Amino acid sequence: GQQVMQIPQYQHVQEGEDFTTYCNSSTTLSNIQWYKQRPGGHPVFLIQLVKSGEVKKQKRLTFQFGEAKKNSSLHITATQTTDVGTYFCAGDSGGGADGLTFGKGTHLIIQP
Amino acid sequence: DAGITQSPRHKVTETGTPVTLRCHQTENHRYMYWYRQDPGHGLRLIHYSYGVKDTDKGEVSDGYSVSRSKTEDFLLTLESATSSQTSVYFCAIKNPSSGIGYTFGSGTRLTVV
Repeated sequence: GQQVMQIPQYQHVQEGEDFTTYCNSSTTLSNIQWYKQRPGGHPVFLIQLVKSGEVKKQKRLTFQFGEAKKNSSLHITATQTTDVGTYFCAGDSGGGADGLTFGKGTHLIIQP
Repeated sequence: DAGITQSPRHKVTETGTPVTLRCHQTENHRYMYWYRQDPGHGLRLIHYSYGVKDTDKGEVSDGYSVSRSKTEDFLLTLESATSSQTSVYFCAIKNPSSGIGYTFGSGTRLTVV
């Protein structure tokens, strides 16, 4: 079945440093989605990427979808304490109703 | 998030007992999903539904059953709970406003002792 790998598992940064998490799928994806989960909370949808090579920005967050539609990255510029949490990528194979396959997530820990 | 609620929020149960978790949505959405979240494993799909009485298995369905007799309710049942089913369970629907992305419930923390 489809597998989605995400690295790193943990990332410690000083506040103000940049952060990047990478996602790689074993199969070509219809789209890839990114979610953020605060400690003790539930995953919250951030963005969906659909097109090959697509780049989208949300303030300090930059999301990229690879040309082969099998990999993706999330980059945060100048991290802030509010960025703390776990970031998940989730691959959609385009099969309709059958759900997303999530990566294991990257835990972002920020030291003031 | 508005439109999807899970109950109970917390539950402690004994090994071997049946447990039912409820997911309720007010968005009249066709697709509903049950995920479990465990440290080191991320979110894994248990079962999903694509309509009333239409359900299918996900990646980790063993030991779980589901039912969807009404559009708004998706029930997850552990027929005989085991310690390996201690987890946080999330229900999700496709984002009701945009249809893009999933909206998750607040989760149920289940402990099997």
